Amino acid sequence: GDSVTQMEGPVTLSEEAFLTINCTYTATGYPSLFWYVQYPGEGLQLLLKATKADDKGSNKGFEATYRKETTSFHLEKGSVQVSDSAVYFCALSPLSSGGSNYKLTFGKGTLLTVNP
Amino acid sequence: GAVVSQHPSRVICKSGTSVKIECRSLDFQATTMFWYRQFPKKSLMLMATSNEGSKATYEQGVEKDKFLINHASLTLSTLTVTSAHPEDSSFYICSASPPGLAGVSAQYFGPGTRLTVT
Repeated sequence: GDSVTQMEGPVTLSEEAFLTINCTYTATGYPSLFWYVQYPGEGLQLLLKATKADDKGSNKGFEATYRKETTSFHLEKGSVQVSDSAVYFCALSPLSSGGSNYKLTFGKGTLLTVNP
Repeated sequence: GAVVSQHPSRVICKSGTSVKIECRSLDFQATTMFWYRQFPKKSLMLMATSNEGSKATYEQGVEKDKFLINHASLTLSTLTVTSAHPEDSSFYICSASPPGLAGVSAQYFGPGTRLTVT
């Protein structure tokens, strides 16, 4: 079945440091890939997405590129801020013709803490 | 933006009792809601898809009689954990999709409910 593997946390960085959170996946066909973020005390929010190979999703300074050859979707940000402290989830959704295209398979989540 | 709430945020109950968790879409109508379960340091796992006015669709391995789902209106879905046991202790998260917005990116997540069964 489908699965998502993301790097174990926690990750602790200083403000303005470079961030990479690795994510690899296993899926049949051509899934859509997502990064979700969960700020303390809040629900998950969609951060960015990519729906086909070589697509780059970007939002709020974060980027991730859909790499089919390496089955990866690593999250990067050039300069993190304290306000980026949160839990980040990598996820995939299979493309299918039925109602199951809403299903999300999540990674375990990576806690990021950014210190001033 | 679309907001999904859950109630309660935390609940502690005794083994053998039942607990109801509510998921509400506050500013939109949701024909479809989803219930996830998250174990410590593990992924969110989809438990079931809740469809307004019809029976929920459960994922393989999820006990229908154990986790009762009712989606009686376009703004409310409830998850009832019946005859709870300590192994049911977990973090339960719901999400909702507004009608007319197809695709996974239209899911809005609630803040979750921490259930502890003693």
